[in-house]
Formats: sequence, structure tokens, C-alpha cells
Amino acid sequence: DARVTQTPRHKVTEMGQEVTMRCQPILGHNTVFWYRQTMMQGLELLAYFRNRAPLDDSGMPKDRFSAEMPDATLATLKIQPSEPRDSAVYFCASGLAGETYEQYFGPGTRLTVT
Amino acid sequence: RKEVEQDPGPFNVPEGATVAFNCTYSNSASQSFFWYRQDCRKEPKLLMSVYSSGNEDGRFTAQLNRASQYISLLIRDSKLSDSATYLCVVKGRGSTLGRLYFGRGTQLTVWP
Repeated sequence: DARVTQTPRHKVTEMGQEVTMRCQPILGHNTVFWYRQTMMQGLELLAYFRNRAPLDDSGMPKDRFSAEMPDATLATLKIQPSEPRDSAVYFCASGLAGETYEQYFGPGTRLTVT
Repeated sequence: RKEVEQDPGPFNVPEGATVAFNCTYSNSASQSFFWYRQDCRKEPKLLMSVYSSGNEDGRFTAQLNRASQYISLLIRDSKLSDSATYLCVVKGRGSTLGRLYFGRGTQLTVWP
């Protein structure tokens, strides 16, 4: 049963620290998405990649967030420096681009910045 | 204006009830539509796609009205296990091809 995996599942850190979240998309999927979910804002798209190339990262605060795909099996989202307002659940999702397609979500990383 | 608007609820219904959720979308060029389900503290999962002619999957019926830019989900004979948040989702096209736009979700609680 193919799944998107994310690590870590939970992260508590102090303000100012660097946070790195990792995602392994489903093998064969060519599109990877990073979302952030909070009670106030709901699910927000931060960035997405197709065939490892960034297509849209307009949802990310550029000064502190960065997203990369070093290879087809790994996507990373970094926050440096982290702030309390970054506390949220960060989801990675992958899919296969086409006319209609499903995005498969990972279990998320629950981030708390104190 | 948000791309997808949903009534956040919550909807609290007894087992066996029929409940309907609605959402509207702002981009008339949107091409694909979905309902996702999200359980508490879990990731969203695809519940069903929404086709122009309407479609049914067991107790779930999805309808699309392109003229009104309106999507609905009907759940018949509600079960306790249907308690979750239901997310209305629209797929972009053109420059946003591949991107999904999520509504804030409608919370459903089914009580015994």
C-alpha cells in the first residue's frame, strides 16, 4: 500500500531555531505539494513541484521558508528562523499530473514553535 | 474572495439522517472538482470526484452545477463513522494547472 511519508511527525522547537521537514512522495508521482493547516486559515498551499521543478511557491514567506526536491524521492521544507506563528500542521502530498488526479497526503508534521 | 467557500457548520445530526453540504467556487474556468474527508488530527483523503452529470458512491451523492458554480455532497443514512470534516476542492487550470484549491471544510458530527 503506497503512502506518502513525512518526518518528523511532531516537532517542538524554540523561536529562532531552524526546522527541516522531510517528505517521501509515492514512487512514480511527479507532483509534490507542501501545505500548512491551522484552525484560523485552514489548508494553505505553500509550494508545489512538478518533475522536481518548483512551479509555484507564492504561498511561502520567502524570507524564512524554502522548499526543495533534491531528488525524486525526497522533498524538504525548511524554516529558518522559526517563529511562534509558524506553529501548524504541515502536510506533504503527491500526485500524478493529468486531466484529473488525486493528491495523496502524508500524515503531516505537527510543528510547535515556543 | 476565496477560491472555494463552504459553510463551516458544524452540522450535528442523528444516525440515519440525511445531510447535505454545499460549496461555491469563484473561477468559472475550473475543470475538476472533488470532496475530501479529514478525520480529526489526520490527513485529508479523497472521498469522491464530482462529475458534471452528478455521481453516486453508496450513501454519498455529489452534484455539480457549473452555471451556478456550486457543488454539493449529500450523505444518506448517516453513520457514526461519517463524523469528520468534509473539504470541497476545486482544481485550477491554465497557469494554475495541477493546483487544488481547498475550502475551509464543513464539520459533521453524527450522534447515536
